[in-house]
Amino acid sequence: DSGVTQTPKHLITATGQRVTLRCSPRSGDLSVYWYQQSLDQGLQFLIQYYNGEERAKGNILERFSAQQFPDLHSELNLSSLELGDSALYFCASSVSFDGNQPQHFGDGTRLSIL
Amino acid sequence: DQQVKQNSPSLSVQEGRISILNCDYTNSMFDYFLWYKKYPAEGPTFLISISSIKDKNEDGRFTVFLNKSAKHLSLHIVPSQPGDSAVYFCAAWNNDMRFGAGTRLTVKP
Repeated sequence: DSGVTQTPKHLITATGQRVTLRCSPRSGDLSVYWYQQSLDQGLQFLIQYYNGEERAKGNILERFSAQQFPDLHSELNLSSLELGDSALYFCASSVSFDGNQPQHFGDGTRLSIL
Repeated sequence: DQQVKQNSPSLSVQEGRISILNCDYTNSMFDYFLWYKKYPAEGPTFLISISSIKDKNEDGRFTVFLNKSAKHLSLHIVPSQPGDSAVYFCAAWNNDMRFGAGTRLTVKP
């Protein structure tokens, strides 16, 4: 158990819709990262928050947004969903924003767009 | 833009033998390299890391080697055990994390 909780585990929705994925980081971790894993591909970094502030941005579409709340949980909002957005979305947390700190991953949210 | 590449999608080894997983990168600015293991239906789990200023780091059965001139790193698992069967991801950090596509390791009893 990594201590990182992601909800929901599965999400099925239709094109054009909007969804919110939630992540509770491991106790004591200030940094939250979001990743997308499409079929047979590696994890694509989307965005990082550290103590409520956006820290780094990766390949995140404009239709996607995220935030980290004062209690350090984070939400990833995906809007105007397309078939290609179907993927596993992982959240990870770490103590600091440095890459030398291991990231602890949740078990992911599987998003299926019909 | 694939800055981190794992060119072998799969690897099969016999229990007790050495497993060698390879990773190549293109960005010489990466500060840290990490290996993660992933079982089905679970998130990746951190295994071992190495700073760009080192060339070797060892933790039990796992050793990571870094060859900066070749922009290559490898993960050695000795001896391999059936429980090591998983997908292994190589990752590199420079302001954000870049992951390879993963190598599926199968350790046969």
